[in-house]
Amino acid sequence: KQEVTQIPAALSVPEGENLVLNCSFTDSAIYNLQWFRQDPGKGLTSLLLIQSSQREQTSGRLNASLDKSSGRSTLYIAASQPGDSATYLCASMNSGNTPLVFGKGTRLSVIA
Amino acid sequence: DVKVTQSSRYLVKRTGEKVFLECVQDMDHENMFWYRQDPGLGLRLIYFSYDVKMKEKGDIPEGYSVSREKKERFSLILESASTNQTSMYLCASRTGRPGANVLTFGAGSRLTVL
Repeated sequence: KQEVTQIPAALSVPEGENLVLNCSFTDSAIYNLQWFRQDPGKGLTSLLLIQSSQREQTSGRLNASLDKSSGRSTLYIAASQPGDSATYLCASMNSGNTPLVFGKGTRLSVIA
Repeated sequence: DVKVTQSSRYLVKRTGEKVFLECVQDMDHENMFWYRQDPGLGLRLIYFSYDVKMKEKGDIPEGYSVSREKKERFSLILESASTNQTSMYLCASRTGRPGANVLTFGAGSRLTVL
């Protein structure tokens, strides 16, 4: 059964720093991997989706990479801002129409 | 934009009450999901549905049931609410077509059972 892990559980950085959030998964036979953002008390917002055939996806200051062979994905945030403070979750889908398996998230605080 | 609407943001119910959580999506998505989210436990899948009148158990279906009579609506039912069902409930939907599987979430329903 797929397991998704995100370490660390919490991270605090000064404003302007570039940072990397980590996501690892146990079964490399994934269909896609998605990154989400969650603000306190709110639902999840999709940030990026990487198909299994892709190595990375970019949206603005965000870049997500996927390395299936090592079972890892990273979310790179450039020039962090206080507004980036939130919990970031990754989730894998293991075949074309199965439910996502979520990590527990990394809570990011960007300090002004 | 795809919209997933959960009918109640906050609910307070008594132990033993029957509770309905409603979720409606407006993008003709085939797949719909109910999760609960608790501190330290992350998101856990309760039930999901791939089409009208279809339902599948997730990881923690005990104490819950679901209904999907129309494609756009997926309801979560707590037959007899208990205090351990106090949680944030999240509904989500996505298309069933391959390659376009972005999952869209509602704003969540915070349920407190007293």
